[in-house]
Amino acid sequence: IAGITQAPTSQILAAGRRMTLRCTQDMRHNAMYWYRQDLGLGLRLIHYSNTAGTTGKGEVPDGYSVSRANTDDFPLTLASAVPSQTSVYFCASRQQRNTEAFFGQGTRLTVV
Amino acid sequence: QKEVEQNSGPLSVPEGAIASLNCTYSDRGSQSFFWYRQYSGKSPELIMFIYSNGDKEDGRFTAQLNKASQYVSLLIRDSQPSDSATYLCAVNGDNYGQNFVFGPGTRLSVLP
Repeated sequence: IAGITQAPTSQILAAGRRMTLRCTQDMRHNAMYWYRQDLGLGLRLIHYSNTAGTTGKGEVPDGYSVSRANTDDFPLTLASAVPSQTSVYFCASRQQRNTEAFFGQGTRLTVV
Repeated sequence: QKEVEQNSGPLSVPEGAIASLNCTYSDRGSQSFFWYRQYSGKSPELIMFIYSNGDKEDGRFTAQLNKASQYVSLLIRDSQPSDSATYLCAVNGDNYGQNFVFGPGTRLSVLP
């Protein structure tokens, strides 16, 4: 089934640990995104990639890094997790500007 | 001023009534506008998109866009309890390259 897959679904992580959230899409979409969603704040863009090999910073990039080695994969890395990074993380992709974005099922991350 | 604003709600309407959800945006260069529905604990899913001024209808849903007023709305006719969810307005602006900016969402409750 075509779509976008995130892993893990949920994770409890000790503060200071490194963690990579995985995102894979099989729709050959050019653009991919990472959002975090916190109660009352909606979806906030962390990082984005308009095409393989390029990345950019969104609204809340601090403490996060991404890479886009190929079209399908867009991992998000927390180098040293802090409790304020407790959130639900969504990966999304779309083919091009002005088209709809498709979302993964989300990763619920708790940093303790 | 936030780039995309919505009333957080909750908005409560009786079953069978019309629910009206509103969204304003600050970037006059925005070109495309999307409404997503998000059930609790789930990922956002697209309901409608609109690019041109005026109304666009799809079943019980109507999106309305007024670029001069920087305003987009979603009307849900014959509201059903299954419509109870958070509705996210997303705008494709230029502030983050080709990316979406999401509003905080409006929580809708349809009462049986």
